[in-house]
Amino acid sequence: DGGITQSPKYLFRKEGQNVTLSCEQNLNHDAMYWYRQDPGQGLRLIYYSQIVNDFQKGDIAEGYSVSREKKESFPLTVTSAQKNPTAFYLCASTGQDHTGELFFGEGSRLTVL
Amino acid sequence: GQNIDQPTEMTATEGAIVQINCTYQTSGFNGLFWYQQHAGEAPTFLSYNVLDGLEEKGRFSSFLSRSKGYSYLLLKELQMKDSASYLCAVMDSNYQLIWGAGTKLIIKP
Repeated sequence: DGGITQSPKYLFRKEGQNVTLSCEQNLNHDAMYWYRQDPGQGLRLIYYSQIVNDFQKGDIAEGYSVSREKKESFPLTVTSAQKNPTAFYLCASTGQDHTGELFFGEGSRLTVL
Repeated sequence: GQNIDQPTEMTATEGAIVQINCTYQTSGFNGLFWYQQHAGEAPTFLSYNVLDGLEEKGRFSSFLSRSKGYSYLLLKELQMKDSASYLCAVMDSNYQLIWGAGTKLIIKP
């Protein structure tokens, strides 16, 4: 079945460590997104990519990095520069029909110890 | 700035009807979305409105008034499984989604 797979689902990190969250999709979607979700707040866009080898910063890109070497994959690295990384991270993708329906992965919950 | 407002929390009774409102102020408008999100899970798509009026899909309906910058999601015959957060999102002129903080709906027996 087509869909988006995120891993790991739960991740614990010590302060000062970089971590990479995986996102893979087999929906043949061009556009992929990373969102951060905190309690009581709407989804906030970290980075997005509309085509392979190209990506743009979202509203809260500081302390994060991404790559888009393959259409299917859009990994997110949370670097030690991110001051408050504990959050629920959601990866999503969409086709180019501009209806905007996003297909989400199951999410990755990162906790910094 | 761009803004999406929706109530933080609502409570309703099983079998009843509930209306969740969403007002928005955005740079341009290319459609409004409602998503459902159960605790700890990913959001799932419920509806998309780009023209004024009511869109009905089973127990769920969504209404849009572009002139008023207003939408609502109507849930009928509430079931316990409808307990979730409901997210309103607007696509702006750059085709980027602006998200509300979500409305947590609590269903009581």
